[in-house]
Amino acid sequence: QMQLLQSGPEVKKPGTSVKVSCKASGFTFATSAVQWVRQTRGQGLEWIGWIAVGRGNTNYAQKFQERVTITRDMFTTTAYMELSSLMSDDTAVYYCAAGSDAAVQWGQGTLVTVSS
Amino acid sequence: EIVMTQSPATLSVSPGEWATLSCRASQNINSNLAWYQQKPGLSPRLLIYAATTRATGIPARFSGSGSGTEFALTISSLQSEDFAVYFCQQYNNWPRAFGQGTKVEIK
Repeated sequence: QMQLLQSGPEVKKPGTSVKVSCKASGFTFATSAVQWVRQTRGQGLEWIGWIAVGRGNTNYAQKFQERVTITRDMFTTTAYMELSSLMSDDTAVYYCAAGSDAAVQWGQGTLVTVSS
Repeated sequence: EIVMTQSPATLSVSPGEWATLSCRASQNINSNLAWYQQKPGLSPRLLIYAATTRATGIPARFSGSGSGTEFALTISSLQSEDFAVYFCQQYNNWPRAFGQGTKVEIK
């Protein structure tokens, strides 16, 4: 079955970067798309960006445009989201989700804590 | 950017009753809308896509309606496992915005 397995929790200092991975299995990764979404404590879902796995083209929310990079490795069927210049407001659970349009399958989430 | 607005923020419903959740888009998104359910501590789960199509394994008591700018998710005969937060998301335009969510709680 479709599965997305994300990397473990991270604690980062302000100003640094974090890279979260998302390992896909159980579906044809090359023909899919992966979006990244975050959720701050007890709040709603915030869309970060998206990658079409086959062509590698991306689209980012303007809010994150300058700080986020989404990539993928076709050989390991893994997607990555790197967020730089971290601030305390970036403390959140980060999700990857697969699906060309709607997010059909979600990862388990990765807690990123930004604290000095 | 398209803004998605959900109402109400909280819906108090008794088990066995119906619940109707609304989602409004700030501009036409055709039928490019999804609904997700999220329970505490868990990842969101896809319920509905293309505004009206149930995802695999989703019970028939969940139904979606609407097109253009006005959408609804109806849950008939609420079960205990349906008390959760529900989000809509448009995928007609970039960025793929979410609504702020509706919490369905036990009355």
